[in-house]
Amino acid sequence: QPVLTQPPSSSASPGESARLTCALPSDINVGTYNIYWYQQKPGSPPRYLLYYYSDSDKGQGSGVPSRFSGSKDASANTGILLISGLQSEDEADYYCMIWPSNTSGVFGGGTKLTVL
Amino acid sequence: EVQLVESGGGLVQPGGSLRLSCAASGFTVRNNYMSWVRQAPGGGLEWVSVIYSGDTTFYADSVKGRFTISRHSSKNTLYLQMNSLRAEDTAVYYCARDPEGWAAINDWGQGTLVTVSS
Repeated sequence: QPVLTQPPSSSASPGESARLTCALPSDINVGTYNIYWYQQKPGSPPRYLLYYYSDSDKGQGSGVPSRFSGSKDASANTGILLISGLQSEDEADYYCMIWPSNTSGVFGGGTKLTVL
Repeated sequence: EVQLVESGGGLVQPGGSLRLSCAASGFTVRNNYMSWVRQAPGGGLEWVSVIYSGDTTFYADSVKGRFTISRHSSKNTLYLQMNSLRAEDTAVYYCARDPEGWAAINDWGQGTLVTVSS
């Protein structure tokens, strides 16, 4: 199973933008995969936010504000979740996920986002 | 409205067994990719298993040979039979629905806690 690497924590102030990263191992190409992002608040199950493959192939979860968006940095082999106009309610854990094959799924370790 | 309600969690000794259930409503289990995802206390999410189509199943290496995923069509219920349980299986187990297959997990249950301890 590949390992998706996410920074354990990140912080930003209300109104600012937060850029959360999800690094794939060097032996799998981020350009090949849909990157899924989930938000989890304490005591609640995860919530699907969005997926990103390319600018022409992406999707938003039901009811997810447009200030949540995805992208990729091919040079860093990384998926990115960008949250603009941060609000206090965005404070949560964020997980990336891929299906590296049609036999299994793998999540990143998660990033705890603090809204200062 | 889609609903997933897990049950069956509890305290079990190492080496013991437990069967989790996930009662679904608002959709048909057999027509969807259904997964179990777990989360150890204070830890991250870990994909455990999936069932879809004509009872095709896959498992994470950490549970292969010990856990069995299944479904009951008339009860519209998903199951996870867990045998030879270990302390590291202690987690909240979520039932999850992926309508398109190998895609977004759109719907999650509230989870059921499994504690493996003597």
